[in-house]
Amino acid sequence: DAGVIQSPRHEVTEMGQEVTLRCKPISGHNSLFWYRQTMMRGLELLIYFNNNVPIDDSGMPEDRFSAKMPNASFSTLKIQPSEPRDSAVYFCASTLGGGSDTQYFGPGTRLTVL
Amino acid sequence: LAKTTQPISMDSYEGQEVNITCSHNNIATNDYITWYQQFPSQGPRFIIQGYKTKVTNEVASLFIPADRKSSTLSLPRVSLSDTAVYYCLVGGSGAQKLVFGQGTRLTINP
Repeated sequence: DAGVIQSPRHEVTEMGQEVTLRCKPISGHNSLFWYRQTMMRGLELLIYFNNNVPIDDSGMPEDRFSAKMPNASFSTLKIQPSEPRDSAVYFCASTLGGGSDTQYFGPGTRLTVL
Repeated sequence: LAKTTQPISMDSYEGQEVNITCSHNNIATNDYITWYQQFPSQGPRFIIQGYKTKVTNEVASLFIPADRKSSTLSLPRVSLSDTAVYYCLVGGSGAQKLVFGQGTRLTINP
């Protein structure tokens, strides 16, 4: 298995632009997690899905952030409009069951908003 | 979700055994203890998980006392490549989510 796949690996954009991050979980995994990591705030859980349904989005910082999981093999995290404070590394992870199962993380997307 | 407390940073030397302790005073009966390792520019990676007493795998050992209010991750004979951030997490079996704290930044020196 190729593991969790994320794209792009790096994204540089200007303030106000729309950014879309993509994630392909491990085949057969039922839960998917989006995290954001910064030096100041560490690793924050933004949202997680179980069987393609958003279960908890309490970590999503504001309405500019949205996430979808149209099917079991694909999820997106969108920021519109982007702001410099959104600059961070965004990780996607998947598990066979819930969060307490082994989480397999993708390589992350490093986002820079100028 | 049980709150965890671990040292912000630790230093050691190659060949030494390193023990990182995590406190989780309000751990619940059905909570498991899980440790992850994160290298720079990579996502966290599962190391070990346990419920009580001792668990050992090819990478580390996890010691959990009877009261389960703390746990210790033990890395035998560390090398430079063990320099990373180590996270302790607590959550129930089947829990939907776990919370990553600030972790312990371990630096191994030659």
